[in-house]
Amino acid sequence: NAGVTQTPKFQVLKTGQSMTLQCAQDMNHEYMSWYRQDPGMGLRLIHYSVGAGITDQGEVPNGYNVSRSTTEDFPLRLLSAAPSQTSVYFCASSPGRWAYGYTFGSGTRLTVV
Amino acid sequence: QKEVEQDPGPLSVPEGAIVSLNCTYSNSAFQYFMWYRQYSRKGPELLMYTYSSGNKEDGRFTAQVDKSSKYISLFIRDSQPSDSATYLCAIGGNNDMRFGAGTRLTVKP
Repeated sequence: NAGVTQTPKFQVLKTGQSMTLQCAQDMNHEYMSWYRQDPGMGLRLIHYSVGAGITDQGEVPNGYNVSRSTTEDFPLRLLSAAPSQTSVYFCASSPGRWAYGYTFGSGTRLTVV
Repeated sequence: QKEVEQDPGPLSVPEGAIVSLNCTYSNSAFQYFMWYRQYSRKGPELLMYTYSSGNKEDGRFTAQVDKSSKYISLFIRDSQPSDSATYLCAIGGNNDMRFGAGTRLTVKP
């Protein structure tokens, strides 16, 4: 049972480049979300989805896009990378948005130069 | 004021010590409380979950919630070097959930 799988694990981008961070879960969870983790800031919600075809913005959505065409996959797109987007990105899933613990992926460490 | 405050540490204790980790929160609408453990360069993993005031015990771990003081704690008994990690609190309710910044714990053999 793989849980939540994120790829790639590491990435270096140049300012202005775009890329997609992949996230897949095999637990049939309806809720999926993307967080970024920065020192001293805690986990901050970027975007989330409560089911296939439904997405919404979180606390820090600017510069990121998401889509959810299947229950399993929830990719995060960086449209035009900026140094402020250097961070560790985590994908999480759970049976529902509220009152459930989340299962996190192992993270993508992104550096924008 | 942040919605969830957590002392970042670092906290260093000898093996076998009792560890106390704490978070305070400001929103009285928060109803459920979680603790996650995050090893270096890994994702957070759920450790404890509770939605009521009082204590919840699971092995060497005890989660304590005091809603009147908006204060939650995680106690680790007989701490082991394998407990060395960052511990994040997560507090939610009223269609919102917030994570603390994490406390980094080192248990020395």
